[in-house]
Amino acid sequence: GEDVEQSLFLSVREGDSSVINCTYTDSSSTYLYWYKQEPGAGLQLLTYIFSNMDMKQDQRLTVLLNKKDKHLSLRIADTQTGDSAIYFCAETSSGGYQKVTFGTGTKLQVIP
Amino acid sequence: ETGVTQSPTHLIKTRGQQVTLRCSSQSGHNTVSWYQQALGQGPQFIFQYYREEENGRGNFPPRFSGLQFPNYSSELNVNALELDDSALYLCASSLGQGAANTEAFFGQGTRLTVV
Repeated sequence: GEDVEQSLFLSVREGDSSVINCTYTDSSSTYLYWYKQEPGAGLQLLTYIFSNMDMKQDQRLTVLLNKKDKHLSLRIADTQTGDSAIYFCAETSSGGYQKVTFGTGTKLQVIP
Repeated sequence: ETGVTQSPTHLIKTRGQQVTLRCSSQSGHNTVSWYQQALGQGPQFIFQYYREEENGRGNFPPRFSGLQFPNYSSELNVNALELDDSALYLCASSLGQGAANTEAFFGQGTRLTVV
């Protein structure tokens, strides 16, 4: 079955870069996602990467995918206090319907 | 704002009762998925509806059921509530049933507490 794992907590200083890591087990994953969840809010899709890519950059966000090791990372440059939230790694595989499997989330704390 | 609205935002029920949660999809979206997010956990897939039919289900018992209406709004029904059903329930709407690259837009969720 599918499994997605993340570290639980990351603390960084404002202005530094944050790197959140994720590993997954499903070798048939087609898309991998990063979602952001702020307190009391739903999930916001930050970015996604197709499994045949190894990097995607979108403004302050850089996603790196190592398909061989089934490792995904999200780098946030110039981290701001507004980036404090829980970040979920997620994956989906082709299968007739869109089932997204989420990790347990990494809580990012940005220290001013 | 994602255009996906859920109601109610909070709900308290007693063990053994039944509950109905509602979701209004983003305009034009024909697919809705429901997720359960227990405290401190990631969301877990419950099921997905496409054009009023269930077309995928996660590891949840039959007392979790759903409906999707012609206007693509949706309900999640849970019978015989248990304490462990306490969670945030999220719905997500998207366009297209199986395209993994289509973005799913999530609502704010309904916080269900079972006492």
